[in-house]
Amino acid sequence: GAGVSQSPSNKVTEKGKDVELRCDPISGHTALYWYRQSLGQGLEFLIYFQGNSAPDKSGLPSDRFSAERTGGSVSTLTIQRTQQEDSAVYLCASSLGQWPGYTFGSGTRLTVV
Amino acid sequence: QQQVKQSPQSLIVQKGGIPIINCAYENTAFDYFPWYQQFPGKGPALLIAIRPDVSEKKEGRFTISFNKSAKQFSLHIMDSQPGDSATYFCAATLGDYKLSFGAGTTVTVRA
Repeated sequence: GAGVSQSPSNKVTEKGKDVELRCDPISGHTALYWYRQSLGQGLEFLIYFQGNSAPDKSGLPSDRFSAERTGGSVSTLTIQRTQQEDSAVYLCASSLGQWPGYTFGSGTRLTVV
Repeated sequence: QQQVKQSPQSLIVQKGGIPIINCAYENTAFDYFPWYQQFPGKGPALLIAIRPDVSEKKEGRFTISFNKSAKQFSLHIMDSQPGDSATYFCAATLGDYKLSFGAGTTVTVRA
C-alpha cells in the first residue's frame, strides 16, 4: 500500500480482555516498529522487527504485551488482560532498512474501560 | 525516565509569529536529533533533523538550532501559518532504530 495501515483505528475494550492490534507496513519495508503514545507524553518505543532477525522486545512494558510479524510483513501487537493504564494510541512504523527514514501509521486508539 | 525534555507543553501565536520549542538531553552519545510534526488523528511525520556537528539547519520556514555544549536544541517556525498548528515532538537517537521522544508541544497559530 501507499502508507502504513493500522487497524482498527479505534478500540474500546473492557478491563481484563485481550486485544489484538494490526499493522500493515509499506510494501517492501524490512523494518517494523511499534510505539505507544500516552496522553501528554511522547512516544515510547515498544518493539522492533528487522527482516528475519530476532526482534528487539526491550520496550515492552510487561509480559502481557507481545508482538509477532508473520512472513516479514504484517505485524500484530497483542495485549492480554488489558488494564486501564494500557489506554493509549499505539503507533506502528516501517522503514526500508534501518533508521533514519521511517513512516508512521495513523495509529490505533485503545481505550480500556 | 525521559531522556529528552521538551518545553513548553503548548503555545499560541498569531499568524506570522515565531513559535520556539526547546529540548534538552542528557546522553551525550545521542548523534541524531529529528523533529516530528503530528496532526490530529495522524501519525507523526519527520519534519527536519540535525546532527550534533551542525549548529543550525533550515528547511523552508523550519529552523533547528543546536547547542552541543549546553545539550539543547530548538525548533523555530518562521512566519507561522494556521496550517502549522500541530503537535511537535523532538527526539534523539544513538544512531540506531530507537528514538527517545520529548513529551510534545501543541502549537496553535491564530489567523
